[in-house]
Amino acid sequence: EVQLVESGGGLVQPGGSLKLSCAASGFTFSDSVIHWVRQASGKGLEWVGRIRTKANNYATTYAVSMKGRFTISRDDSKNTAFLQMNGLKTEDTALYYCTRHPAGFDYWGQGILVTVAS
Amino acid sequence: QSALTQPASVSGSPGQSITISCTGTSSDVGNYNVVSWYQQHPGKAPKLMIYEVTRRPSGVSNRFSGSKSGNTASLTISGLQAEDEADYYCCSYIGSSTWVFGGGTKLSVL
Repeated sequence: EVQLVESGGGLVQPGGSLKLSCAASGFTFSDSVIHWVRQASGKGLEWVGRIRTKANNYATTYAVSMKGRFTISRDDSKNTAFLQMNGLKTEDTALYYCTRHPAGFDYWGQGILVTVAS
Repeated sequence: QSALTQPASVSGSPGQSITISCTGTSSDVGNYNVVSWYQQHPGKAPKLMIYEVTRRPSGVSNRFSGSKSGNTASLTISGLQAEDEADYYCCSYIGSSTWVFGGGTKLSVL
């Protein structure tokens, strides 16, 4: 069974940092492109960014609003992807999902809440 | 990276058919056949319903179908059922290895 489990969320002050993890199981993680998507409370889905596989040099791309502040990485030996978020703003408060994309985002984690507030 | 345009809400009666539109531009929806659709029930993670404009994942009811014309993609749900009541989001590849979602549509089954 394919599973994606996010962790590492919580409350952080504006300007602070947080690192989310996405633990995967049930599929060949090292062959999979992993994306992060977020959703503010009561709002729509927003694509954050993605990381490709080793064969594609772990290339990353990001949404414009997050470029330079967010960094996606992965540890294939641990079947885990990460989202490092720096310079957090109140508008980054959201539920963050990791998902994989072979053709469409076919499996999603349950999401992890990040709250940016003083 | 402006969000794709979806109607805020649509409604239909059980058994009817409804269509949700997703309008982009010639740089995104109109340029790539990489449009997908997601169903999201309250408090749940999104579920993939359609990918690559028209393809349906295994296990998704054939009541759900996708299409595209020009810069607008569409999701059609036939034979509406109460459990179809949910939020629906489209998503398109927009080039340079980036994606964008639509603003979402709330489907009410009356």
